Amino acid sequence: DGGITQSPKYLFRKEGQNVTLSCEQNLNHDAMYWYRQDPGQGLRLIYYSQIVNDFQKGDIAEGYSVSREKKESFPLTVTSAQKNPTAFYLCASSALAGRQETQYFGPGTRLLVL
Amino acid sequence: AQSVTQLGSHVSVSEGALVLLRCNYSSSVPPYLFWYVQYPNQGLQLLLKYTTGATLVKGINGFEAEFKKSETSFHLTKPSAHMSDAAEYFCAVKDSSASKIIFGSGTRLSIRP
Repeated sequence: DGGITQSPKYLFRKEGQNVTLSCEQNLNHDAMYWYRQDPGQGLRLIYYSQIVNDFQKGDIAEGYSVSREKKESFPLTVTSAQKNPTAFYLCASSALAGRQETQYFGPGTRLLVL
Repeated sequence: AQSVTQLGSHVSVSEGALVLLRCNYSSSVPPYLFWYVQYPNQGLQLLLKYTTGATLVKGINGFEAEFKKSETSFHLTKPSAHMSDAAEYFCAVKDSSASKIIFGSGTRLSIRP
């Protein structure tokens, strides 16, 4: 089955620790996205990538980093600089950024701070 | 600049009643419009989308939405609510020239027995 997988489902971070959230897609999509979801605030874009080895900051990139070494993978690192990381993180992909293509979402990772 | 406003953070209807979730957008160019549904602790699933052509769009699970350019609206409706429709619904807009989708803040739909 084609789709987007995110792991882990739940992730716990200690103070000062960097953690990495995984996102993999087998849809052969060019573009991938990371969103943060907080209650009552909808989805906010963290980073996006339209092509391998290239990515752009979204609206709330501070305290986060990404890489896009392979077309199917777009991991997100939440660094210690992100002071309020507790949220639900969603990864998405689309066939081609900049056009009408629909974004398809993974099941999400919930990050909690110990 | 694009923006989208969902009126009502929480809507409650009785089972069998009409569902109406409101969405207004702003866009300087013809927009693409989307409705997504999210069940608890899950990702978003596309309900329907408008790109061009017919302004009444039918989606999954009996939902439909009408693009009204004069009102800059894209309200989501379903004639008869089911208990399984209880979820959060997000409206989203994308300019044809943009690479990003802008999401509304969401509307939580509750269904009363």
